[in-house]
Amino acid sequence: NAGVTQTPKFRVLKTGQSMTLLCAQDMNHEYMYWYRQDPGMGLRLIHYSVGEGTTAKGEVPDGYNVSRLKKQNFLLGLESAAPSQTSVYFCASSYQQGGGQPQHFGDGTRLSIL
Amino acid sequence: AQSVAQPEDQVNVAEGNPLTVKCTYSVSGNPYLFWYVQYPNRGLQFLLKYITGDNLVKGSYGFEAEFNKSQTSFHLKKPSALVSDSALYFCAVRDKGGSGNTGKLIFGQGTTLQVKP
Repeated sequence: NAGVTQTPKFRVLKTGQSMTLLCAQDMNHEYMYWYRQDPGMGLRLIHYSVGEGTTAKGEVPDGYNVSRLKKQNFLLGLESAAPSQTSVYFCASSYQQGGGQPQHFGDGTRLSIL
Repeated sequence: AQSVAQPEDQVNVAEGNPLTVKCTYSVSGNPYLFWYVQYPNRGLQFLLKYITGDNLVKGSYGFEAEFNKSQTSFHLKKPSALVSDSALYFCAVRDKGGSGNTGKLIFGQGTTLQVKP
């Protein structure tokens, strides 16, 4: 049981380059989330999805796009990377039922923008 | 506005001593509260949650948390700390903003727990 898998684990980009981070979950969760983690700032929600084919903006969506074409996958795209997007990115997923379902996290993607 | 605060950036305790990691929250209505732990180079792992019922919630690895509605707090506790408990701990509250249940969480800034032998 893999849970939540993120690829790649590490990446270095140059300013202006684009890339896509992939998140896959095998728990049949309806909800999926993308966060960024920066020192002293906790986790900030970038985008989220409440089901296949749906996405919504979180707290810090600028500079990112997402897609959820399949229930198990949630993609995060950077169209034109900027140094301010250097961060650790985490994907999470959870069940829909009730409001008390915990989120399950992947191990993160460490992204450096030069 | 809904928010979560962890007033301590770091907590230091000696192995075998009790530990407390503090969390306070601000949310309308009844809160859904969570604690997560993050080990180096890993994602967050769920420890425990409070939804309703008994104010003392027990979770993984011997951790527990006490919900106090009057003080709007949800402090994480463990009777006897282990060196292996050293990690980054996050408190979170379910975001009740907007319409419908989206499962979104609002996280605190995190508290680093250092347990020394």
